[in-house]
Amino acid sequence: GEDVEQSLFLSVREGDSSVINCTYTDSSSTYLYWYKQEPGAGLQLLTYIFSNMDMKQDQRLTVLLNKKDKHLSLRIADTQTGDSAIYFCAETFAGGGNKLTFGTGTQLKVEL
Amino acid sequence: ETGVTQSPTHLIKTRGQQVTLRCSSQSGHNTVSWYQQALGQGPQFIFQYYREEENGRGNFPPRFSGLQFPNYSSELNVNALELDDSALYLCASSLGRQNMNTEAFFGQGTRLTVV
Repeated sequence: GEDVEQSLFLSVREGDSSVINCTYTDSSSTYLYWYKQEPGAGLQLLTYIFSNMDMKQDQRLTVLLNKKDKHLSLRIADTQTGDSAIYFCAETFAGGGNKLTFGTGTQLKVEL
Repeated sequence: ETGVTQSPTHLIKTRGQQVTLRCSSQSGHNTVSWYQQALGQGPQFIFQYYREEENGRGNFPPRFSGLQFPNYSSELNVNALELDDSALYLCASSLGRQNMNTEAFFGQGTRLTVV
């Protein structure tokens, strides 16, 4: 079945790099996504990676995908206080249309 | 700003009542998906509509039903509300053909509280 897991909480100092991790169980994933959710708000798509890629970089964001270990990570360089939010990884499957299966979310707290 | 709007933003209902939540999709988008996000959890897929027809459903009981209109806006209806239905309900719109993966844009959600 589909299962996506994340660590619940991460605290970093402003200016440091943050690495948020995600593991998933279904090997038929097609796309893997990272979403950001600020308090009281909807979900903002940050970036996504196709399952046949290993890495994708987009400005301060780097996504790494280890398909063998079913492990996805999001690295945020030079983390700022505005990056404080909950981060969700999510996946879609071949033939599943746009059905997103989300992880439990990681709360990132950036301290001065 | 994603162009996806949901109404109302907040709602309080009594157990046993019925509720209708609304979503206007981004212009040109023909697919709408609904998600339930309980407090402290990730969103859970309820169902998806593509060109006015249901195109996939998650593990939710039949009292959760939906509709998509010719202009691709959508409604989520929940009958016989239970306390556990209290959650943030998110709508996502996308442009796609059936069973294709395309980027989904989320609305701000409707916060439903059942008392």
